[in-house]
Amino acid sequence: NAGVTQTPKFQVLKTGQSMTLQCAQDMNHEYMSWYRQDPGMGLRLIHYSVGAGITDQGEVPNGYNVSRSTTEDFPLRLLSAAPSQTSVYFCASSSPRTVNYGYTFGSGTRLTVV
Amino acid sequence: GENVEQHPSTLSVQEGDSAVIKCTYSDSASNYFPWYKQELGKGPQLIIDIRSNVGEKKDQRIAVTLNKTAKHFSLHITETQPEDSAVYFCAALQTSYDKVIFGPGTSLSVIP
Repeated sequence: NAGVTQTPKFQVLKTGQSMTLQCAQDMNHEYMSWYRQDPGMGLRLIHYSVGAGITDQGEVPNGYNVSRSTTEDFPLRLLSAAPSQTSVYFCASSSPRTVNYGYTFGSGTRLTVV
Repeated sequence: GENVEQHPSTLSVQEGDSAVIKCTYSDSASNYFPWYKQELGKGPQLIIDIRSNVGEKKDQRIAVTLNKTAKHFSLHITETQPEDSAVYFCAALQTSYDKVIFGPGTSLSVIP
């Protein structure tokens, strides 16, 4: 199993550009989330989903959109990139059917907005 | 909403010594408390977890304790090794809701 796959691994954007960070999981997990990681701030929840067609906002949702049309995919869209969105982004998935509820994380996307 | 605090933010120990990282949470409805280890350039990885109906759990050199009354939980690493050097995150969630809130992290350095 590939687990959670994030693409791209690195991206540089200009202020105002839009882009989509891709996340796919092959574990048939119901739950998926997006986090951003900034120095000294830990992992902050952007958006999450408990199943296909269902999404909700996390701690820092402004400037980001998500959709969950399939169980496998949970893309994160930056509508108009700003320097404050420079960060490392992690996608994660989990399932209440597993023994523990621990998330499986992807390897991250490092985004720089100039 | 849930708020998770974590201390210390950085921790240096000599190889072979023990390391303790402490977390507090605010939402009494939280009932599952995982710990993650993040190595440089990688995503966090679950290393141990504890549910609210258990006070302590061990897995080889690592252990986690939970005090539900005080809303405290701690990670204990014994006989530390250089490969334990990483950033450790605690988290709290309500398993029925699955909105995971992380602490700010502890950077652990094990000095050979």
